[in-house]
Amino acid sequence: DQQVKQNSPSLSVQEGRISILNCDYTNSMFDYFLWYKKYPAEGPTFLISISSIKDKNEDGRFTVFLNKSAKHLSLHIVPSQPGDSAVYFCAASPASNYQLIWGAGTKLIIKP
Amino acid sequence: NAGVMQNPRHLVRRRGQEARLRCSPMKGHSHVYWYRQLPEEGLKFMVYLQKENIIDESGMPKERFSAEFPKEGPSILRIQQVVRGDSAAYFCASSDSGGQGIEAFFGQGTRLTVV
Repeated sequence: DQQVKQNSPSLSVQEGRISILNCDYTNSMFDYFLWYKKYPAEGPTFLISISSIKDKNEDGRFTVFLNKSAKHLSLHIVPSQPGDSAVYFCAASPASNYQLIWGAGTKLIIKP
Repeated sequence: NAGVMQNPRHLVRRRGQEARLRCSPMKGHSHVYWYRQLPEEGLKFMVYLQKENIIDESGMPKERFSAEFPKEGPSILRIQQVVRGDSAAYFCASSDSGGQGIEAFFGQGTRLTVV
């Protein structure tokens, strides 16, 4: 039972353009959402998060949008840079539980 | 300030052997989480430990797997009598507050291959 789904295994974007990574969830009890970035042979690195009381959170080139009614969130990266090429994981947890439920990841490739 | 250190980075075991994976948290961190990542999948929570205590092991398989975080030394994830299905990347994360997200830092992982 996949509670957090990232339906695009990979995404290719031109350098300088916007990258949009999507994530859907099924559990309405989730109220904290995180994005992680992972390079090959390294552990995940926290990127940005959003709580359910917000619908947008921005940090530099990275913006996360949350649509609670659709149980959907997205990560926007603009402008995309070569160093953004990595696997991006979406994760979620309910307020009462520290456990994170992770999506399968989307591999982002930034083309020069 | 060294980050979360996991060793070994790569571990090859024959079926039936034991695997020991070590995780040294960041200095000052007393909370450790272990995750497993199977190929083409996301990370799956296994266990949450504080010093000398297992807080939540609900993600651990019932048999052959155990974890500890002693007062001194690294956290250990132990897999007895390994099988091919145990082949995966095992990550640990540490935090000083029990929180995750920005508060938690991941190690580079141990890639276990069972042959």
